[in-house]
Amino acid sequence: GDSVTQMEGPVTLSEEACLTINCTYTATGYPSLFWYVQYPGEGLQLLLKATKADDKGSNKGFEATYRKETTSFHLEKGSVQVSDSAVYFCALLNTGTASKLTFGTGTRLQVTL
Amino acid sequence: NAGVTQTPKFQVLKTGQSMTLQCAQDMNHEYMSWYRQDPGMGLRLIHYSVGAGITDQGEVPNGYNVSRSTTEDFPLRLLSAAPSQTSVYFCASRSPTGHGAEAFFGQGTRLTVV
Repeated sequence: GDSVTQMEGPVTLSEEACLTINCTYTATGYPSLFWYVQYPGEGLQLLLKATKADDKGSNKGFEATYRKETTSFHLEKGSVQVSDSAVYFCALLNTGTASKLTFGTGTRLQVTL
Repeated sequence: NAGVTQTPKFQVLKTGQSMTLQCAQDMNHEYMSWYRQDPGMGLRLIHYSVGAGITDQGEVPNGYNVSRSTTEDFPLRLLSAAPSQTSVYFCASRSPTGHGAEAFFGQGTRLTVV
C-alpha cells in the first residue's frame, strides 16, 4: 500500500538558518504530494502541494519539488523564522484511493532566536 | 465561511462511556474523514465517507462508528471508550474534484479516557 516516510524530529534551528525536512514515498501510479503544517493547538492546514513529477510547490518561502525518480518531496526554506515553529506533515493522495490521504509521522520544528 | 467545525474541543470520559464527536462542514464537500493523531504515529485514518449514505473503514476503525446522513455532518461515535482511545481527533473534508484538491481540517478534539 501507499506510505510516506519523514525524517524524525524534533529539528531545532536558529532563526535565519536553512531548513530541509526529508520526505520519501511509496505509491503506485501518480500521486499528488502535499506538505501540511500544524501550529500549536490548531488543526492542519495546507502549506504547499505538487500534482505531477517535476512540479515545484511553494508558499511562505517554503518550497518542495516532486521528484519521481527518487520518490521524494523534501521541504526546504532558506531562512526560517521563530513563527515557523510547528509540526510539518508530508502526505500523498493517490488516484487509486482518491478519497484517502496518507500521512507521514510529522516532523516538529523548533526555531530559536 | 466557517470551514470545518468540530465539537467539543476537549473531553474527558470514563472507561466504558460512550460519546459522539461532532463534525460539520459548510463547503459542500463530498469527502469527509476522521483521523486520530498520536505521538510518533502521525495521523491515522479511522473512517471516511465519499458522500451522504456512504462510509468505509480506514486504518484503525475498531471501537468507532460513523454515519453520514447529510453532506454537511459526519459524526464519530465511540461505543465504549477505552484508555487506548486517548488521542487528538481531527475531522477533514475535501472536494473530490481535481487530483490535488486541498483537505480542510477542523481544530481537533482532545479526548482523554480515564
